[in-house]
Order: sequence, then C-alpha cells, then structure tokens
Amino acid sequence: AQTVTQSQPEMSVQEAETVTLSCTYDTSESNYYLFWYKQPPSRQMILVIRQEAYKQQNATENRFSVNFQKAAKSFSLKISDSQLGDTAMYFCAFMNRDDKIIFGKGTRLHILP
Amino acid sequence: GAGVSQSPSNKVTEKGKDVELRCDPISGHTALYWYRQSLGQGLEFLIYFQGNSAPDKSGLPSDRFSAERTGGSVSTLTIQRTQQEDSAVYLCASSVRDPHEQYFGPGTRLTVT
Repeated sequence: AQTVTQSQPEMSVQEAETVTLSCTYDTSESNYYLFWYKQPPSRQMILVIRQEAYKQQNATENRFSVNFQKAAKSFSLKISDSQLGDTAMYFCAFMNRDDKIIFGKGTRLHILP
Repeated sequence: GAGVSQSPSNKVTEKGKDVELRCDPISGHTALYWYRQSLGQGLEFLIYFQGNSAPDKSGLPSDRFSAERTGGSVSTLTIQRTQQEDSAVYLCASSVRDPHEQYFGPGTRLTVT
C-alpha cells in the first residue's frame, strides 16, 4: 500500500528565512504525481506545487521549489524568503495511476515576525 | 470562474440524526473526491467519482456513509444515524484527468452533539 510520511509535525522559522519541509513516500509504481498543498487557518486547501514522477527536473513556483529524489522516494518542499502569509498546514500528497490521492498527516508551519 | 462550493458551511446535528452535505464541483471537472479532516489531522479519503465509472468507495468508514453524484456534477454525502465521532470537517475536491490538480471547496464543519 502506498503511504506518505511527513516527519515534522510542527516547525517555526523567522520571516525571510528559508525552510524545508520533508516528505517521504512508499510505492512500487513508476509513474505517479506528487503534490504539496497548503491549508491556512481559513481552512481552504490550495495547491502549492506539483511534480510528475517521470520528470527529473525539480518543479519551481516562485518562492516554492521541491527536491524530488525518486530513488530515495523523497519529495521535500523548500520555501525561500518566507513570509507571514506562509503560515499554514502543509500537506504532501501522492497520486497513483488510479487517480486516488493519499495525503500525509501534515506539517504545521509558523512564520515568526 | 467559480470554484468548488460546499453547503452548508457549518452543520450542528443531534446524535442519531441523518445529515446531507452538498458539493458543487467546478464545471467540466470529471473527478470528484470527498475527504474527512478531524481536528488538527490530515485528510482521510472517503470516496472518489470519475466520470461515469463506478465510484471508489474504499474509504467510507461504515455503511452509515454513502454518496452519490447526479448528472456527473453535484454530489451529496449522506451520513445516517450520526455519531459523535463523525464530527469533523468534510472537504470536497474536483479535478480534471490531466493535470490532476485537485481544487478544494471550503468544507463543511459537522458537529454532532
């Protein structure tokens, strides 16, 4: 069975610093998708970034980038120049070829002023 | 365009009553998902609809839970004989097959007293 593990339940960093959130997953499939979602206190889930497993190049969206290590089954999220608005729960997610998505338990990130 | 909408936003019900939660997906999205999020926890997959295919009900926790999707659009999640452990936020998401990005609704907070 596929699993997604986020080993950091909670993190705090100062504004403008860089922070990396960890995610590992387990699967026997070769083609799949990986996502990072953000859930601010307002509760609305927002897609941050996505990565196709067949692409070796790491995805980047402005201040957000991933370090995708397929062999190690690792998919970490790096947030550069962190801002107060980045305070949220961050969920790593895995989607298999059946379009079923599995979420990790989340990392609560606090950006401190 | 309009995003995913859910109603009601909040629902308080007495133990043993039935409740219906509604999800209006983004027009044209063929896939629709229901998740349950308990306080401070990750997302628990409940059920997945894809086009006209039979839904994946593997995440429904008991036979008190059911869902339907009419006309490939609006979906209703029904919980019969509610229990206190059913209290949670119920999230709906919709997507297209490619690029597999899920768009989430704001959720329905269910409280069973």
